[in-house]
Amino acid sequence: QSALTQPASVSGSPGQSITISCTGTSSDVGTYNYVSWYQQYPGKAPKVMIYDVSNRPSGVSNRFSGSKSGNTASLTISGLQAEDEADYYCSSYTSDTSPRVVFGGGTKVTVL
Amino acid sequence: VQLQESGPRTVKPSETLSLTCTVSGGSMTDYYWTWIRQAPGKGLEWIGHFHFSRGTKYSPSLKSRVVILVDMSKSQFSLRLSSVTAADTAVYYCARSYDSSTYWSFDPWGQGTLATVSS
Repeated sequence: QSALTQPASVSGSPGQSITISCTGTSSDVGTYNYVSWYQQYPGKAPKVMIYDVSNRPSGVSNRFSGSKSGNTASLTISGLQAEDEADYYCSSYTSDTSPRVVFGGGTKVTVL
Repeated sequence: VQLQESGPRTVKPSETLSLTCTVSGGSMTDYYWTWIRQAPGKGLEWIGHFHFSRGTKYSPSLKSRVVILVDMSKSQFSLRLSSVTAADTAVYYCARSYDSSTYWSFDPWGQGTLATVSS
């Protein structure tokens, strides 16, 4: 069981916006602004899309945005495109028992 | 910077899994160098990392079985996971921290290598 909770799947039509949630606790998401989001295509390595809750690395489309409220972080993809169909994982720093990094279980995004 | 994993693809139960990550295009003295794994059809799991001046840190769930070693002269860092079982079958990724001063985001990643525990 993953430390962070994500919905198993989210879907949307091209052009729509979707939001993926990532729920943690006060030991991780709720206290630290150290949430990252990764996009992973089948058989490929993950790629960072968002770091430190809402920062976008150079080269990542501005259609991807991140936010946080309480113990839940969110990734929003606006103007959904076929190429956005992939698995998305959140991660966070946690101070629970031993400082480390924890991941969510992943969300499959389907473009209808 | 590019990272490339290498090592045996099959390991027998109770033996030690050994993988190496070769770093090209950058120095290893900055940044955190990390191992992450993904069991088939499952999510990502952080294993641990090495930093040149800040040392190593391991996942509590694997700490008793894992060691990360570094050979700066070869621009390589390695993973040793002992007493493996079928539950350790996974794609193992090496990755660099996205930022040189923090270890909780990762980019770039290696392509990953599937290590299977089987007799």
